[in-house]
Amino acid sequence: AQRVTQPEKLLSVFKGAPVELKCNYSYSGSPELFWYVQYSRQRLQLLLRHISRESIKGFTADLNKGETSFHLKKPFAQEEDSAMYYCAFQGSARQLTFGSGTQLTVLP
Amino acid sequence: DGGITQSPKYLFRKEGQNVTLSCEQNLNHDAMYWYRQDPGQGLRLIYYSQIVNDFQKGDIAEGYSVSREKKESFPLTVTSAQKNPTAFYLCASTSGGYGQLTNTGELFFGEGSRLTVL
Repeated sequence: AQRVTQPEKLLSVFKGAPVELKCNYSYSGSPELFWYVQYSRQRLQLLLRHISRESIKGFTADLNKGETSFHLKKPFAQEEDSAMYYCAFQGSARQLTFGSGTQLTVLP
Repeated sequence: DGGITQSPKYLFRKEGQNVTLSCEQNLNHDAMYWYRQDPGQGLRLIYYSQIVNDFQKGDIAEGYSVSREKKESFPLTVTSAQKNPTAFYLCASTSGGYGQLTNTGELFFGEGSRLTVL
């Protein structure tokens, strides 16, 4: 069965420090992975997807098939990055399975 | 204004009553989804529909029912059989249904409905 694991429920870093939000998946096929973000009082929205290999708001995520990971990284965190982050996985059924989320707090 | 509209935003009901949450989209999306969001558990899929007049159970469908009579609408009924109905419910949609390759995996979410059962 496909599963997405986000081991950290809460993560706090200081402004300007690097941040890494962990995501691991279990799936036997070729996965499509995404990061979604929910800022305070805003809708849940797509941040980035692995197939695009893009950097959004300074965030990047690399799919590591050997480690079955898709960690989200940013070299210098900003206070406006404080939000709930969800890793999500799309398998052959074309439905998204979400992880349990990580609440990121960037301290001043 | 294009997007997904959920109503009501807040809803209080007595135990044993059925409740229907509305979800409407004007994005011309084929696929629609209902998720339940609980603290510490992330989003769990209740039901999804990839085409009109068809829908499938998600991971936690027990105690819920849906219909998809129109492309734009995907209402969710929380029945009295749902053991723990108090939660935040999110509706989402995406382009691309069965057999279509346009499903990029990007879901567009509504603002959510918070149901409290007293």
